[in-house]
Amino acid sequence: EAGVAQSPRYKIIEKRQSVAFWCNPISGHATLYWYQQILGQGPKLLIQFQNNGVVDDSQLPKDRFSAERLKGVDSTLKIQPAKLEDSAVYLCASSSRGSTAYEQYFGPGTRLTVT
Amino acid sequence: DQQVKQNSPSLSVQEGRISILNCDYTNSMFDYFLWYKKYPAEGPTFLISISSIKDKNEDGRFTVFLNKSAKHLSLHIVPSQPGDSAVYFCAASAVRQGAQKLVFGQGTRLTINP
Repeated sequence: EAGVAQSPRYKIIEKRQSVAFWCNPISGHATLYWYQQILGQGPKLLIQFQNNGVVDDSQLPKDRFSAERLKGVDSTLKIQPAKLEDSAVYLCASSSRGSTAYEQYFGPGTRLTVT
Repeated sequence: DQQVKQNSPSLSVQEGRISILNCDYTNSMFDYFLWYKKYPAEGPTFLISISSIKDKNEDGRFTVFLNKSAKHLSLHIVPSQPGDSAVYFCAASAVRQGAQKLVFGQGTRLTINP
């Protein structure tokens, strides 16, 4: 079974530029998560999708971050404009319908550096 | 507020000995507790979990203990092996806004010395 795919793996941009990350979850997984992991901290949930719909985006900085999940499969996370404090690893995870939270499968992440 | 805390950023253990990683939490509404393991340049992978109604769960060399009165859990690895060197995250699960979600601690970097 293929795992969660993410691209790009690394990205360096200047502040005020925009950037987008892509995630392809495990086939058949209805729930998709985006996490932000700042160096020295644990992953923090940004947004959770159930199929096409947003379940929780309470910690998403909506003035600069946006995310979508078209057709309930792939997802993109966008930052516009980026700030220095957005430097982090962005992790995508997925889980199957009805599963408890511990059945989340993580992708390798995208390391973003904002200069 | 930091609802899940791992107060030791790093831990060094001799190969073959026991590794004990600790985690404290503040929210009594958490229903599951989990440990994830993370190697460099990879995403976290699930290791072991425990329900809030239990006090111990064992899986091979890994055992998780839960002390609800103290709001404390620990992960024991015995015997420790070089391949166990990684960052370990404690996480707690709760239902919020109708959805199950995880809250992670800061992580502990475990180094197993030969």
